Amino acid sequence: ETGVTQTPRHLVMGMTNKKSLKCEQHLGHNAMYWYKQSAKKPLELMFVYSLEERVENNSVPSRFSPECPNSSHLFLHLHTLQPEDSALYLCASSQNTQGSGSQETQYFGPGTRLLVL
Amino acid sequence: GIQVEQSPPDLILQEGANSTLRCNFSDSVNNLQWFHQNPWGQLINLFYIPSGTKQNGRLSATTVATERYSLLYISSSQTTDSGVYFCAVGDTDKLIFGTGTRLQVFP
Repeated sequence: ETGVTQTPRHLVMGMTNKKSLKCEQHLGHNAMYWYKQSAKKPLELMFVYSLEERVENNSVPSRFSPECPNSSHLFLHLHTLQPEDSALYLCASSQNTQGSGSQETQYFGPGTRLLVL
Repeated sequence: GIQVEQSPPDLILQEGANSTLRCNFSDSVNNLQWFHQNPWGQLINLFYIPSGTKQNGRLSATTVATERYSLLYISSSQTTDSGVYFCAVGDTDKLIFGTGTRLQVFP
């Protein structure tokens, strides 16, 4: 699956570091998402961008800062993370129908496995 | 918000066996998707199925929206079917994921 790519695939960082996760979609979609997957928990939606505007952030801590410069790229900037932030971070994209309140099929990237020491 | 429950939580099969995975949800939805997460973490969309029945090879899915459940059928299972199967339902602008069914298929 090369429709949605994520880099890096693995990341180890200290609590004082600053790093960024990158996601790129090649599907021509108009919405992109960041999810967090921790051990033994369901996927948690962190951020939704539709037409490059943030529409959902689900009360995520400010140490996570998203950026969506265009409809194909999505970043997650990380700073002063905690060990409990260690998880698999997944990016997804979809083509949403305006005004219907409905999402179409979401396509996921391979994820970035993050370890915070 | 909408609650999504999946059963069973774990399933162990021998190659060739059939299985049924269930997803119950607590409210009306206009979007329901099934995903397979392989052992390397990649999530693959299997079905977009807010209602009705669909089939794709050895997999099929049925959603009965009025009764708030969906079923995923896996026939003649193979070792490559191993992983976690997630049901996700649409609530306005977001998908809510269940906790998944972990499937292990042994030769």
